[in-house]
Amino acid sequence: GAVVSQHPSRVICKSGTSVKIECRSLDFQATTMFWYRQFPKQSLMLMATSNEGSKATYEQGVEKDKFLINHASLTLSTLTVTSAHPEDSSFYICSARDGQGDYGYTFGSGTRLTVV
Amino acid sequence: QKEVEQNSGPLSVPEGAIASLNCTYSDRGSQSFFWYRQYSGKSPELIMFIYSNGDKEDGRFTAQLNKASQYVSLLIRDSQPSDSATYLCAVTAPFKGGNTPLVFGKGTRLSVIA
Repeated sequence: GAVVSQHPSRVICKSGTSVKIECRSLDFQATTMFWYRQFPKQSLMLMATSNEGSKATYEQGVEKDKFLINHASLTLSTLTVTSAHPEDSSFYICSARDGQGDYGYTFGSGTRLTVV
Repeated sequence: QKEVEQNSGPLSVPEGAIASLNCTYSDRGSQSFFWYRQYSGKSPELIMFIYSNGDKEDGRFTAQLNKASQYVSLLIRDSQPSDSATYLCAVTAPFKGGNTPLVFGKGTRLSVIA
């Protein structure tokens, strides 16, 4: 089945620094990837849709200058949290769909970001 | 704005019983419906997806879809303690080359008691 690899799984950073999260589709090409954020005891909220070779589409209320998304190849999308603050601490998850298969949407393993 | 509603629970069932999870959605144009299971601190994992009205069975799981009522459910037969998790209902609009995101409900927490 379709596999999406996400790294790192856990990161702790100081306030004001930047953190990059990588999401790779291992056995299929993902022209589109989705980035979600999940706060404790809440559901997954879509942050942005990442399209290979073009600018990402951000959901209302998500700062595009703070959450930089790059989708430079058909298998890799990155999310960079710039100038991170404690309120950015959350569980970030990427997702992609294998258009060739019938596997539904596959999720990466998630990144637990803690900003101290 | 698409909305997906789920009872947050917790839903407690004894081991071996049938667990019934329900979900309603507001966008009548929704075409694809998914059930994910999420353990605490982990990423969601796909259980089933359903596109057509009626029932779809996969092992101990049965998804039921009623588009007229905008209702989708998941039945878990012979519930096991390992089924204890949060179950997320998700819907999307018609598939367009993979660029349509999922909209999630808040999830129902299921507890299977041994």
